[in-house]
Amino acid sequence: EAGVAQSPRYKIIEKRQSVAFWCNPISGHATLYWYQQILGQGPKLLIQFQNNGVVDDSQLPKDRFSAERLKGVDSTLKIQPAKLEDSAVYLCASSLVAASPLHFGNGTRLTVT
Amino acid sequence: GENVEQHPSTLSVQEGDSAVIKCTYSDSASNYFPWYKQELGKRPQLIIDIRSNVGEKKDQRIAVTLNKTAKHFSLHITETQPEDSAVYFCAAPRPHGNQFYFGTGTSLTVIP
Repeated sequence: EAGVAQSPRYKIIEKRQSVAFWCNPISGHATLYWYQQILGQGPKLLIQFQNNGVVDDSQLPKDRFSAERLKGVDSTLKIQPAKLEDSAVYLCASSLVAASPLHFGNGTRLTVT
Repeated sequence: GENVEQHPSTLSVQEGDSAVIKCTYSDSASNYFPWYKQELGKRPQLIIDIRSNVGEKKDQRIAVTLNKTAKHFSLHITETQPEDSAVYFCAAPRPHGNQFYFGTGTSLTVIP
């Protein structure tokens, strides 16, 4: 089966600029997650979707981060405006159902200068 | 993650020796515990998982043990090889949720 696809692979922006990441989960996976992984740390959940509805966005900095999953398939994560501390790898993951094995994409490495 | 503690943060072993990584969790209702391996610059990949109805699960050189009473679970790698060098993360379900808290990771180095 095809894995979780993410793009771009790398992104370098200046602070206060905007950036968007895209994720295409494994076909048939109802649950989609966005994680932020800062260097040397474990993944931190930003938002979880079940189909096209938000299940949990309690750890999403909503003043600058937004995410959507239109039609319950692809998802985009946006940061506007970016801060230096947003430099991290943004991982998208999907699972067949909630609390089942996660399948991660290769991530987008964001550098904010 | 605040509900999962992982130790040690770094571990170096000689090739052929065993490696053990331990995680503790806080929610007694947690019932599923995966372990992920992340090589440098790559995505985390599931290597083994265990559900709370068993105490141990083994897959070739990798095993996971679960102690529900003490609320901890451990990853055991036997006959380590250089390609086992990576960062390993444990995870446990969040209380009242369907997502996972991840541990802070263990950087394993296998010395040839």
